[in-house]
Amino acid sequence: DQQVKQNSPSLSVQEGRISILNCDYTNSMFDYFLWYKKYPAEGPTFLISISSIKDKNEDGRFTVFLNKSAKHLSLHIVPSQPGDSAVYFCAASEDQGGSEKLVFGKGTKLTVNP
Amino acid sequence: ETGVTQSPTHLIKTRGQQVTLRCSSQSGHNTVSWYQQALGQGPQFIFQYYREEENGRGNFPPRFSGLQFPNYSSELNVNALELDDSALYLCASSIMGNEQYFGPGTRLTVT
Repeated sequence: DQQVKQNSPSLSVQEGRISILNCDYTNSMFDYFLWYKKYPAEGPTFLISISSIKDKNEDGRFTVFLNKSAKHLSLHIVPSQPGDSAVYFCAASEDQGGSEKLVFGKGTKLTVNP
Repeated sequence: ETGVTQSPTHLIKTRGQQVTLRCSSQSGHNTVSWYQQALGQGPQFIFQYYREEENGRGNFPPRFSGLQFPNYSSELNVNALELDDSALYLCASSIMGNEQYFGPGTRLTVT
């Protein structure tokens, strides 16, 4: 039973355009959501997070949107850069802060073409 | 500030053997979590240690066990290795209540 789903295994965008990565979840107990970026041969790198009490969080080129009623979140990257090419994982936690058990999606491979 | 480090980088073991993986947490972090990432999947939570005590466990059998030491470093032990244990094992550290930061992982191959 997959509680966090990333239904797009891959996404390809042009440099300078917007990248939108989507994530759906089924567990209504999830209280905190995180995005991690992973390059080959490296561990996941924390990117941005959002608490369930918010609907938007911005950090530079990265914005995460949360729609609790739809159990859906998305990561927007504007403008996309070739260095953003990586696998992006959506993760969810039942605790505020994300320090306890994280449940991950399968990831979306983003390719940004120059 | 030193990040999360893991050793070894790669490991090849035979079915039925035992393995120990090691993790040094980021400076100031008191919580360590272990995850297993199979090919094409997201990381799956194995267990977490907070101040040397187990603080949550995922759906893994008892042959997966761990330790956290007073300096907050940690070990993951897997007994009676099976072929399906082949995966990338990730360690993550955090300050309780804050985001987890991951190490580069140990690639385990069981033949």
